[in-house]
Amino acid sequence: GNSVTQMEGPVTLSEEAFLTINCTYTATGYPSLFWYVQYPGEGLQLLLKATKADDKGSNKGFEATYRKETTSFHLEKGSVQVSDSAVYFCALSGNNAGNMLTFGGGTRLMVKP
Amino acid sequence: GAVVSQHPSRVICKSGTSVKIECRSLDFQATTMFWYRQFPKQSLMLMATSNEGSKATYEQGVEKDKFLINHASLTLSTLTVTSAHPEDSSFYICSARGGLAGASYEQYFGPGTRLTVT
Repeated sequence: GNSVTQMEGPVTLSEEAFLTINCTYTATGYPSLFWYVQYPGEGLQLLLKATKADDKGSNKGFEATYRKETTSFHLEKGSVQVSDSAVYFCALSGNNAGNMLTFGGGTRLMVKP
Repeated sequence: GAVVSQHPSRVICKSGTSVKIECRSLDFQATTMFWYRQFPKQSLMLMATSNEGSKATYEQGVEKDKFLINHASLTLSTLTVTSAHPEDSSFYICSARGGLAGASYEQYFGPGTRLTVT
């Protein structure tokens, strides 16, 4: 079945540091890949997505590239801000009839001023 | 566009009572809605998938008689936690997707409902 593995947190960075959150996946076929962000006490918001190999999703300074050869979709940001502190979830949507999302375990990011 | 709301955002109930949580798609028709449960500092666990006008499909290990899901219209799905117990305390999140089953349409998430059972 499908699965998503992402690095465990928490990840603690100083403001303006470079961020990488690793995400790898296992899936049959050609899944779509997503990063969601969850701020404290809130639901999930889609951060970015990629639907095919070598696609790069980007939003708000975050980016991730769909790497089929390494089955990865690592999230990066060149300069984090305190407001980026949240939990980040990597997810995939397979090509099954329900197109259900499979989530990774989440990575908590804490950015200190 | 593509806003999903949940009501209530927080609810506290006594053990043994039932609680209903609403999930609404505000500006699109949601043919499919999903209900997730999230424990503190953990990922989302899919509980069930509901398609408008048909019975919900529950994930393995989720009690369908305890977590009643109704998707009576294209903009509303409800989750009722029956005879709630403290172990049902959790953050419940719904998501909604438009289009036909099998289409690669995006899921839009609600803000979540925090249920506390005392």
